[in-house]
Amino acid sequence: SQTIHQWPATLVQPVGSPLSLECTVEGTSNPNLYWYRQAAGRGLQLLFYSVVIGQISSEVPQNLSASRPQDRQFILSSKKLLLSDSGFYLCAWMTGGGNTIYFGEGSWLTVV
Amino acid sequence: AQSVAQPEDQVNVAEGNPLTVKCTYSVSGNPYLFWYVQYPNRGLQFLLKYITGDNLVKGSYGFEAEFNKSQTSFHLKKPSALVSDSALYFCAVSRLYGNNRLAFGKGNQVVVIP
Repeated sequence: SQTIHQWPATLVQPVGSPLSLECTVEGTSNPNLYWYRQAAGRGLQLLFYSVVIGQISSEVPQNLSASRPQDRQFILSSKKLLLSDSGFYLCAWMTGGGNTIYFGEGSWLTVV
Repeated sequence: AQSVAQPEDQVNVAEGNPLTVKCTYSVSGNPYLFWYVQYPNRGLQFLLKYITGDNLVKGSYGFEAEFNKSQTSFHLKKPSALVSDSALYFCAVSRLYGNNRLAFGKGNQVVVIP
């Protein structure tokens, strides 16, 4: 069966420091991969998605970037964090050609 | 572009009573419709989906949802709510033959009162 791992679970970083959140999917090949952010109060915002290794689509211009160095690995990065980057970040995946997205357990980022 | 409306911020229901969480959608073409549940500080868990076929779909934990094309709705229901059903519920839509990016509603907080 397929599983998704996301880490770290919680992170407290100072303003201006770099960020790296990592996500890997096991048990499938060529998945679609997604990064969402959930701000306080619920709403889910799609940040990036990738349908193939090396290809990244950005939904919202911002202080973050994403990379897909391997087929089942998706990384969310920032060179310099802002206070507004605080939130709950969710990695998700879907079988290529499928129709259902499955989420990881999320990473809490607090920028101080 | 597709969108979802979940009109109620919070739904309160007594334990044992029926639970309904409302969702309406807007999409060009035929929709894929989904419900997810989120417990505190956790990721979203998939509950059920409508892709095609029978308008009544059954999912995890005794939940079901009914697709109504004329009303563009996909309400989530459970005949008898449990205290453990207290959580945040999200409706989502994507477009058939689209790129499978989901548009989420803002979520409904469900509180089941013992």
